[in-house]
Amino acid sequence: DGGITQSPKYLFRKEGQNVTLSCEQNLNHDAMYWYRQDPGQGLRLIYYSQIVNDFQKGDIAEGYSVSREKKESFPLTVTSAQKNPTAFYLCASSRDRVAAEAFFGQGTRLTVV
Amino acid sequence: KNQVEQSPQSLIILEGKNCTLQCNYTVSPFSNLRWYKQDTGRGPVSLTIMTFSENTKSNGRYTATLDADTKQSSLHITASQLSDSASYICVVSPNTGNQFYFGTGTSLTVIP
Repeated sequence: DGGITQSPKYLFRKEGQNVTLSCEQNLNHDAMYWYRQDPGQGLRLIYYSQIVNDFQKGDIAEGYSVSREKKESFPLTVTSAQKNPTAFYLCASSRDRVAAEAFFGQGTRLTVV
Repeated sequence: KNQVEQSPQSLIILEGKNCTLQCNYTVSPFSNLRWYKQDTGRGPVSLTIMTFSENTKSNGRYTATLDADTKQSSLHITASQLSDSASYICVVSPNTGNQFYFGTGTSLTVIP
């Protein structure tokens, strides 16, 4: 059935390591997004992509990188440059039209140990 | 500046009681407002969508209202159940671009 799949659900990283979070969608959506969620704060936009091979920085892109080589996939890499990476990460997608609904994956909880 | 504010930050109610969550926004130009439910450790799921011309919309025990003049919305939950325990997030979209403005959410706990 259609939806967005994030993996893994839980991820542990040692300080100084890069890690990649997976996000796959089969909704045929053009736009995809990565958000970070911290306790007591709203979702903050890390990166978004409106079309294959194109992506834009969001409000908190420092220390993160993305790629969009396929329409279905939008992986997020958390690099060692991200000073406080422990958080809940949400991937979303939407149709490429104004004010379309955002559909979310189930999230990945990243913990730095 | 485009902002979305929600209140209260957290709420505890007894099972079977009603409650109302508030959302105020300054997003402009306005296109629509959605209420999402987010269970702990899960992704948000859309409950309702309100456009400029709508002032009330229901989804089972959830009823959303919108006053586009005062830029306020509310989500009323009737006859609460334990499964209603979650965070409720107000999301506003302008009518330009693929953008979403998120509130910080209201954490609702329903106790037996």
